Amino acid sequence: DTGVSQDPRHKITKRGQNVTFRCDPISEHNRLYWYRQTLGQGPEFLTYFQNEAQLEKSRLLSDRFSAERPKGSFSTLEIQRTEQGDSAMYLCASSLVRQGRWYTQYFGPGTRLTVL
Amino acid sequence: AQSVTQLDSQVPVFEEAPVELRCNYSSSVSVYLFWYVQYPNQGLQLLLKYLSGSTLVKGINGFEAEFNKSQTSFHLRKPSVHISDTAEYFCAVSDSNYGGSQGNLIFGKGTKLSVKP
Repeated sequence: DTGVSQDPRHKITKRGQNVTFRCDPISEHNRLYWYRQTLGQGPEFLTYFQNEAQLEKSRLLSDRFSAERPKGSFSTLEIQRTEQGDSAMYLCASSLVRQGRWYTQYFGPGTRLTVL
Repeated sequence: AQSVTQLDSQVPVFEEAPVELRCNYSSSVSVYLFWYVQYPNQGLQLLLKYLSGSTLVKGINGFEAEFNKSQTSFHLRKPSVHISDTAEYFCAVSDSNYGGSQGNLIFGKGTKLSVKP
């Protein structure tokens, strides 16, 4: 069990640039979540995938944000035309959902984004 | 809609003293409850969870929590803390109704536990 991994761990970018983050979930997990955590706050749900299908998007996910999970394995989160308000820790989590039962979400180390 | 309130943003405590971190939730449906710990510049690690059954849940690192449905609380306790317990602790809730929810977690704002020697 290698756990959830995220890349990069840190990203500094200038306002207006595009950034992309990657998340590799635990291999047998069919569900993948993205959360955003700003300073002094708990993580906030952004979106989730069941296999390759994106089933829910939070109102926090503006049109500048797009997420994909093309083969039901790793996922990418892209932010276009970054703004200073996008500065946050972006957390990925994965879990196994089977026969109508929930299983624990396991989190990656996060990608810290700083927009200058 | 669900929400989580962590009543204390910071809790200072001396080493080997007991500690309780408070968490209250609101929900119109039955829920699953979780406590996660976050060390500086790291992701979240699951401490313990309540899904069903016994209301007293034991987790890792000597932590335990008690689910109280009538008070809608899920307070985290440890009888004797160590310096290494210094971290931020998050309480979270998830809708247990598979058919009506995505299973995403709703987090509180966190409680920073500071253990002093």
